[in-house]
Amino acid sequence: NAGVTQTPKFQVLKTGQSMTLQCAQDMNHEYMSWYRQDPGMGLRLIHYSVGAGITDQGEVPNGYNVSRSTTEDFPLRLLSAAPSQTSVYFCASSSVGASTEAFFGQGTRLTVV
Amino acid sequence: GQNIDQPTEMTATEGAIVQINCTYQTSGFNGLFWYQQHAGEAPTFLSYNVLDGLEEKGRFSSFLSRSKGYSYLLLKELQMKDSASYLCAVVNNAGNMLTFGGGTRLMVKP
Repeated sequence: NAGVTQTPKFQVLKTGQSMTLQCAQDMNHEYMSWYRQDPGMGLRLIHYSVGAGITDQGEVPNGYNVSRSTTEDFPLRLLSAAPSQTSVYFCASSSVGASTEAFFGQGTRLTVV
Repeated sequence: GQNIDQPTEMTATEGAIVQINCTYQTSGFNGLFWYQQHAGEAPTFLSYNVLDGLEEKGRFSSFLSRSKGYSYLLLKELQMKDSASYLCAVVNNAGNMLTFGGGTRLMVKP
């Protein structure tokens, strides 16, 4: 059982480039979310989705877009990368809402130079 | 908004007991999670409390007091593999957002 799969694991971008972080889950979970993790700041919610076709902003949405065309996939797009977006990104899914156990992907370590 | 505080670092000895505290001030509350995260890895679920009291699961227990905005994670019979960060996270009233504290890095020494 794959769980939550994130790709890529590592990425280096130049300032101004765009890219998409992929996230897929095979547990038929309704709720999916994206976090960034910076040293000393814990995990911060970027965007979340409560089901296919529905997305909403979290704490730190600026500079990121998401879409949820299927239950399985929840890609995160960086529109124009900035050094401040250097971070580790985690995708997570849970069966129903944020009050159920979240299953995390293995993370993407992104460096913007 | 949500404000969640937990100690940055703790050190304990193998075989001992350690308590990691978490305090929160929130505009709404719909449960509190504890996650474990080993260095370079993804967080994994440890416990969920929505009602006051103690939840025990093997060597790990989690306590919640909603009136005090306080939770703790208790780890018994510490093992070297328990060296990790422990993340406290609160669910908002609507149940659609999770806010994490900064995490507590626990170092277990022989």
